[in-house]
Amino acid sequence: AQTVTQSQPEMSVQEAETVTLSCTYDTSESDYYLFWYKQPPSRQMILVIRQEAYKQQNATENRFSVNFQKAAKSFSLKISDSQLGDAAMYFCAYRSWGTASKLTFGTGTRLQVTL
Amino acid sequence: AAGVIQSPRHLIKEKRETATLKCYPIPRHDTVYWYQQGPGQDPQFLISFYEKMQSDKGSIPDRFSAQQFSDYHSELNMSSLELGDSALYFCASSLAVQTETNTEAFFGQGTRLTVV
Repeated sequence: AQTVTQSQPEMSVQEAETVTLSCTYDTSESDYYLFWYKQPPSRQMILVIRQEAYKQQNATENRFSVNFQKAAKSFSLKISDSQLGDAAMYFCAYRSWGTASKLTFGTGTRLQVTL
Repeated sequence: AAGVIQSPRHLIKEKRETATLKCYPIPRHDTVYWYQQGPGQDPQFLISFYEKMQSDKGSIPDRFSAQQFSDYHSELNMSSLELGDSALYFCASSLAVQTETNTEAFFGQGTRLTVV
């Protein structure tokens, strides 16, 4: 079974600064997908960014980028130019390649953004 | 664009009562997943359905059952409710076969169940 570990329960960043959230995972599979989901106080689960394991290039979405290290099984999220609206719970998630495969989540990192 | 619809959004039940949660996936999505998220916890996978058949099962109590109907909507039935069942219940949908442009699951807004 796959496991996802987020070792930072809470992080804080000043507005306009950059922060990196860590995620490691354990799997014996070679093909899979990794995601970062954001959960604001409304508790809606919002997809932030995704990475296909077969792609060497790190994914980017505007101010959000990842550092995907397949050999190290590491998948960190970098948020640049942090904004107050980025304050939320961030979950790293793993999904196997295959039909109807589920998401496995990490325990989450609560991000605070300060003025 | 159409999203995953869950109903009801909020539900209050007493202990030992029964609750039914409904999920309407994004049109053309053939797979539905149910997750339970307790306060301050990560979402825990309960069960999933693909083409109306159970495709995977997680930590779903025996008191819970679920199914997917011919129109692909799904219902989670919860009986003999306990205080510990109070949580946010998410439904997510996806296409079963992942492609270059389709890899993620889309989540509904959740049903907040409170058992008193």
